[in-house]
Amino acid sequence: QSVLTQPPSVSGAPGQRVTISCTGGSSNIGAGYDVHWYQQLPGTAPKLLIYDNTNRPSGVPDRFSGSKSGTSASLAITGLQAEDEAAYYCQSYDSSLSGSMFGGGTKLTVL
Amino acid sequence: QLQLQESGPGLVKPSETLSLSCGVSGGSITSSSYYWGWIRQPPGKGLEWIGRISYSGTAYYNPSLKSRVTISVDASKNQFSLHLSSVTAADTAFYYCARRRQYHLQWGYWGRGTLVTVSS
Repeated sequence: QSVLTQPPSVSGAPGQRVTISCTGGSSNIGAGYDVHWYQQLPGTAPKLLIYDNTNRPSGVPDRFSGSKSGTSASLAITGLQAEDEAAYYCQSYDSSLSGSMFGGGTKLTVL
Repeated sequence: QLQLQESGPGLVKPSETLSLSCGVSGGSITSSSYYWGWIRQPPGKGLEWIGRISYSGTAYYNPSLKSRVTISVDASKNQFSLHLSSVTAADTAFYYCARRRQYHLQWGYWGRGTLVTVSS
């Protein structure tokens, strides 16, 4: 089964920039499907952070940005803040699944 | 403002059927513009898409769960439901209901989630 691969963890000091990668395959990101990102704070439901590769929903700070190239996508967070400590998930459509596929998630630690 | 609220038993015995409902407020479940879905997350693990349904009742399921899953819509109650049969401990998870637009594949609205534990 196709998967979206994310690093299990990343970390950075306050004020720094971190990136989280999401690598897919030919049935999802590589097929041209858009990538979306979610932030899940401890004990809460996931919240949409980036949609259609690069777009931020209303209320999401511009410190968060997304990009996509080929079979991969990335989430960048600049000016890290303590409140950014959370799990981040990428998501795309997968044609073999005929539905949504999520990455395994990345735990961001703010040092 | 759209709100989704999961409800159902928090404890289910092995081999029985897990049944959850998602109440929709602030919007109509019969709108043709949206799809309604279920996503689950075992404690401490990642997200897994279970399936989704349109207002017309057309449903798509994750192939890994397809033989055990049914998602249905109850327009009279403005809610949709999840039924997962023959559960095992591996089905213990937080279950979230969510909504996405028909031609946009991101899940924009989520319920708070409900923990379902499978145990005798």
